[in-house]
Amino acid sequence: KAGVTQTPRYLIKTRGQQVTLSCSPISGHRSVSWYQQTPGQGLQFLFEYFSETQRNKGNFPGRFSGRQFSNSRSEMNVSTLELGDSALYLCASSLSAGGSGNTIYFGEGSWLTVV
Amino acid sequence: GQQLNQSPQSMFIQEGEDVSMNCTSSSIFNTWLWYKQDPGEGPVLLIALYKAGELTSNGRLTAQFGITRKDSFLNISASIPSDVGIYFCAGQKFSGGGADGLTFGKGTHLIIQP
Repeated sequence: KAGVTQTPRYLIKTRGQQVTLSCSPISGHRSVSWYQQTPGQGLQFLFEYFSETQRNKGNFPGRFSGRQFSNSRSEMNVSTLELGDSALYLCASSLSAGGSGNTIYFGEGSWLTVV
Repeated sequence: GQQLNQSPQSMFIQEGEDVSMNCTSSSIFNTWLWYKQDPGEGPVLLIALYKAGELTSNGRLTAQFGITRKDSFLNISASIPSDVGIYFCAGQKFSGGGADGLTFGKGTHLIIQP
């Protein structure tokens, strides 16, 4: 069974540009969530999508957005990039939207460098 | 945002030693998860805990969900070189119609000296 797949793995963008990251969850998983990992702030929750609807949102500015498609694949977008957006962006998938026994698996991440 | 208090921040141990790390919080969590992350990779799930008091093992790893639901610990017995990495605890709360996003600790960096 394939794991969580994220593309691209590495990318470099210029301040002010926008970026779109893609995530394919484990087959059969309907919940996709996104996290940002930086040395200073650690791992922080961005948002979660389930059945194409955003269920939860972390404490990030509106420049960070996402969507989920009918096949459960998800994309996140960051507009007007800032230097502080440089981070490892991790996608996680789970079978359902929560509840006991719901296990969450992470992809390898997309490394974003903003210059 | 809220983060879990994970300790120790780093550990320098000899191969073969046992390792213990823990996470505490001021609030209750419904699920505790332990992950290991190698450089340049995503976190890999080690153990998932769903009930207060639950004790679960995965090979040489053992983790427990604290009875107060505000803490969890992870033990690694007889450490080997491939145990090197950063270990993260994560807690999840249930609210309304589902679960909140994971809240993570800052990680425990495990270094094994030959």
